[in-house]
Amino acid sequence: QQPVQSPQAVILREGEDAVINCSSSKALYSVHWYRQKHGEAPVFLMILLKGGEQKGHEKISASFNEKKQQSSLYLTASQLSYSGTYFCGTGTTSGTYKYIFGTGTRLKVLA
Amino acid sequence: DTGVSQDPRHKITKRGQNVTFRCDPISEHNRLYWYRQTLGQGPEFLTYFQNEAQLEKSRLLSDRFSAERPKGSFSTLEIQRTEQGDSAMYLCASSLGLAGFLYNEQFFGPGTRLTVL
Repeated sequence: QQPVQSPQAVILREGEDAVINCSSSKALYSVHWYRQKHGEAPVFLMILLKGGEQKGHEKISASFNEKKQQSSLYLTASQLSYSGTYFCGTGTTSGTYKYIFGTGTRLKVLA
Repeated sequence: DTGVSQDPRHKITKRGQNVTFRCDPISEHNRLYWYRQTLGQGPEFLTYFQNEAQLEKSRLLSDRFSAERPKGSFSTLEIQRTEQGDSAMYLCASSLGLAGFLYNEQFFGPGTRLTVL
């Protein structure tokens, strides 16, 4: 029941773009995206609620397709600071407070 | 620093011993979560508190694990009779729950790394 993220890992050059996908087998109420650097705690990036909205945060944006139970994170003109592991976090519509993180995508940006 | 704090940051214990971790959330946050994270994996939900009430506990959590949040402020997570499989990073997160919203932005603490020998 853990959301599956793709790709598992990606290597970019500075300035390149990337897309990270998160797919759930359960109906979703909301999707959150976090970035975690090695040895550090996850840091919140953005939250998307059902309704298909798209949000942006500087050069990072995301979309949420509740019908497909999928979310995508878009990284444009990547910077070295974008390196880390990205996790989607999902809350389902079943009324539970349980919050489930995805399988993770390791992103490495090279100079 | 007004973020989420956890203590201790590192704990090494022998198998069979009991350990207790503490989490101090951001002061105005009413929601508190505990997660466990192993290398290369995403955080795994353990339990959730809204104020002092423990509203959900993962079925993966054995009876050896217990958590409390007295007075709705700090929280403790205790593991009894530790096993080597308990070795992991234990993360605490807090959020400001708004009426009508099940899930809000979570702020994570630095974690407690547990090593069971």
